[in-house]
Amino acid sequence: GQNIDQPTEMTATEGAIVQINCTYQTSGFNGLFWYQQHAGEAPTFLSYNVLDGLEEKGRFSSFLSRSKGYSYLLLKELQMKDSASYLCAAMDSNYQLIWGAGTKLIIKP
Amino acid sequence: IAGITQAPTSQILAAGRRMTLRCTQDMRHNAMYWYRQDLGLGLRLIHYSNTAGTTGKGEVPDGYSVSRANTDDFPLTLASAVPSQTSVYFCASSVGLGDYNEQFFGPGTRLTVL
Repeated sequence: GQNIDQPTEMTATEGAIVQINCTYQTSGFNGLFWYQQHAGEAPTFLSYNVLDGLEEKGRFSSFLSRSKGYSYLLLKELQMKDSASYLCAAMDSNYQLIWGAGTKLIIKP
Repeated sequence: IAGITQAPTSQILAAGRRMTLRCTQDMRHNAMYWYRQDLGLGLRLIHYSNTAGTTGKGEVPDGYSVSRANTDDFPLTLASAVPSQTSVYFCASSVGLGDYNEQFFGPGTRLTVL
């Protein structure tokens, strides 16, 4: 079956760095997406990886290893506004997104 | 309109009633999607449409129907609501169906079926 695993909740300190891991198993693979979702709001796109390696976009970076079925989202210089859920989603062979349950990130001052 | 809108924002519905959730996008995107989001679970695809005039079933289509008469609108209908359909419903769209097609989400409809 298809499956996405990510931690349920993480806590980090303002100004620090946090890494949110995601492992995936899908029928075929057409890329890995990360979305941010603030409480009560819609998910918004953060990053897309289809090739192995690190993609950097400002304070956020995303890494992919296709051979390991593994990705992570790295958030640097954490700000209070980064408190949100981070959703990992893998695109399968039918170009449908398979979503993880999300990682709730709590930022403490 | 800018982006995707959904209506209503929230709704309390008696079991057995029929309900249509509305979704409209003004980005001229070809593909549209309906998801439900439940606590502790990932977003689950209900139905999708690759282009106007076509629709397809997602992971959890039972009890739901959709239509895509034009590019902009993608309504979701619950023919006879049941309490297990209590959820937050998100409509999304993307340029097309394919890799690197970021999905844009509407604000969601919170539905409670009693």
